[in-house]
Formats: sequence, structure tokens, C-alpha cells
Amino acid sequence: AQSVTQPDIHITVSEGASLELRCNYSYGATPYLFWYVQSPGQGLQLLLKYFSGDTLVQGIKGFEAEFKRSQSSFNLRKPSVHWSDAAEYFCAVGAGGFKTIFGAGTRLFVKA
Amino acid sequence: DVKVTQSSRYLVKRTGEKVFLECVQDMDHENMFWYRQDPGLGLRLIYFSYDVKMKEKGDIPEGYSVSREKKERFSLILESASTNQTSMYLCASKHGTVQETQYFGPGTRLLVL
Repeated sequence: AQSVTQPDIHITVSEGASLELRCNYSYGATPYLFWYVQSPGQGLQLLLKYFSGDTLVQGIKGFEAEFKRSQSSFNLRKPSVHWSDAAEYFCAVGAGGFKTIFGAGTRLFVKA
Repeated sequence: DVKVTQSSRYLVKRTGEKVFLECVQDMDHENMFWYRQDPGLGLRLIYFSYDVKMKEKGDIPEGYSVSREKKERFSLILESASTNQTSMYLCASKHGTVQETQYFGPGTRLLVL
């Protein structure tokens, strides 16, 4: 069955430090992969997505993610975190047809 | 810009009440979704609709129903609210199928007493 695992429930990083949020998926075919961000009191917003081609994907707000088929991973990275990046981040996989499977989310805290 | 709006940001209802959550999108998307968001569980799909009057059950449809009479509007109905339906409810819409981006509303936080 398709699934998405985000191993870290929450992460705290200092402002200006680098960030990596982990995501592992289980899917039989070539996956369609997404990262969404949810700021406090808001709905989800797409950061980036991967379907095929270059395995390093650039997104909005300075985020990037790398697809590694051998590790079934799609980790999200940012070289320098800003206080405004504090939010909850969701990794998701397109499960065929209309469905999308979401991970449980990782809440990012940014300390000054 | 795509806009998905939800009728209420916060709702407080009593056990047994019938509850209507409304969602409207303005980008002529065929597909609309209702999710429930709970801490530690992420988003779970309740129902989705791929066309007017068409609906499909998601992963947790029990205790919910939906209505889509117009393309832009998708309603979630709690026939008889229960305390275990206290949650954040998110509506989303998208064009096309699996590879398309979903656009989310701001959510409705429902408290059932």
C-alpha cells in the first residue's frame, strides 16, 4: 500500500542554519511527490513537486528537494532558515487517480 | 490566483447537531476534496468529487456525507455531530489528476461539545 513517512514530528533550528526535513515513501510505480507548507492558521501551500527528470527540484521560498529512488526518499532542504519558515511541512505522494497520500507532517521551530 | 474559500474559520456545535461545511473555488477545477487534519495523523481524505453530482469515498467517510450540486461548490455534512469529529477540516481543489497541484482553503476548526 502507498504510504508516506516523515520520521521527525518536530525540528528546531537556529535562524540562518541549514535545514533538512526527511520524507520516505512507499509506492510501486514512479511516484509523483510533493512538499506542502502550512503556516499557522492557514491552509496548505505547494512548495515544490517532482514527477520526472532532474532529481533535484527547486521550489518557492528558497526550498529544494532531492528525489532518491534507491532510498525511496524525497528530503526537503533549505540552506539558510528564516524565522518566517516556522510552519508545518507535509510530504505527499500522488497515489494514482485523484488521491494524494500525505505524511503526518513535521513542525519546524526556528529559534533566534 | 486560485482561491478556495471555506464558509467558517471556527465552528462550535453540540453533539447530535447536523453540521454543514461549505467550500467554494473560483478556478473551474473539476476535482474537489475534503480532508480532516489531526495532530500526528496528517491529512486524511474524507470524500472527493471529480464532477458535479459525482463523489467518491475517501479513507474515513463514516459519519460524513457530501454534496456537489455546482462545479464551484463542495459541501461536507456531518449528519449527527459527535465529539470525535472535533477537528480541523480542509477543503482543496485541483485541475486534472494525480500530478496536479492541490489548492487548499484556510480550514474550518470544528469543536463538537
